Amino acid sequence: GESVGLHLPTLSVQEGDNSIINCAYSNSASDYFIWYKQESGKGPQFIIDIRSNMDKRQGQRVTVLLNKTVKHLSLQIAATQPGDSAVYFCAENGRATNKLIFGTGTLLAVQP
Amino acid sequence: GAVVSQHPSWVICKSGTSVKIECRSLDFQATTMFWYRQFPKQSLMLMATSNEGSKATYEQGVEKDKFLINHASLTLSTLTVTSAHPEDSSFYICSARDPQARGYEQYFGPGTRLTVT
Repeated sequence: GESVGLHLPTLSVQEGDNSIINCAYSNSASDYFIWYKQESGKGPQFIIDIRSNMDKRQGQRVTVLLNKTVKHLSLQIAATQPGDSAVYFCAENGRATNKLIFGTGTLLAVQP
Repeated sequence: GAVVSQHPSWVICKSGTSVKIECRSLDFQATTMFWYRQFPKQSLMLMATSNEGSKATYEQGVEKDKFLINHASLTLSTLTVTSAHPEDSSFYICSARDPQARGYEQYFGPGTRLTVT
């Protein structure tokens, strides 16, 4: 059932500022990582991905950084806009299992 | 881009009844589909992996007799919540993997909100 009292980590930024959302992943054998955006009541939406043989990948207004040494992933959003307000999840794909495991999520709140 | 649909988008049912949720890949054939559940303010938890033409693989702690999965065709997987109880109320999301794509990316459906009264 539902868990009472859980709160997503929240990042509050001003419109136009850059946002950095962090994620720690668990499996050093994971070979593929994805960032998803989820708006309320909707399914996850793909933002950007990165393979384990890379440490940085850029998209439109977004950059993903991968630090395998400390098992850390980050998503940078440039010039954050109100439409970026959502919950952001990182996900890792296990090389052995070929399944996606999602992180806990971060709520990005963009203040106009 | 690849599109995955779910039906219904929301459903309310009485305790003890069964509910079927459909997941369809609209413009590609998906040999593998996944079912997740998500409680409010929580992450997506993988329930099972659905492979076309074979039995689903359930994650630890997920009751296979309660959550029946059928992947009857390359574009359709169904999740049936049997003898639903209020604690089954959740947001159920499916995803599909396009074997013609890079191999790892999953395309997610819009989710189905289940409320059991």
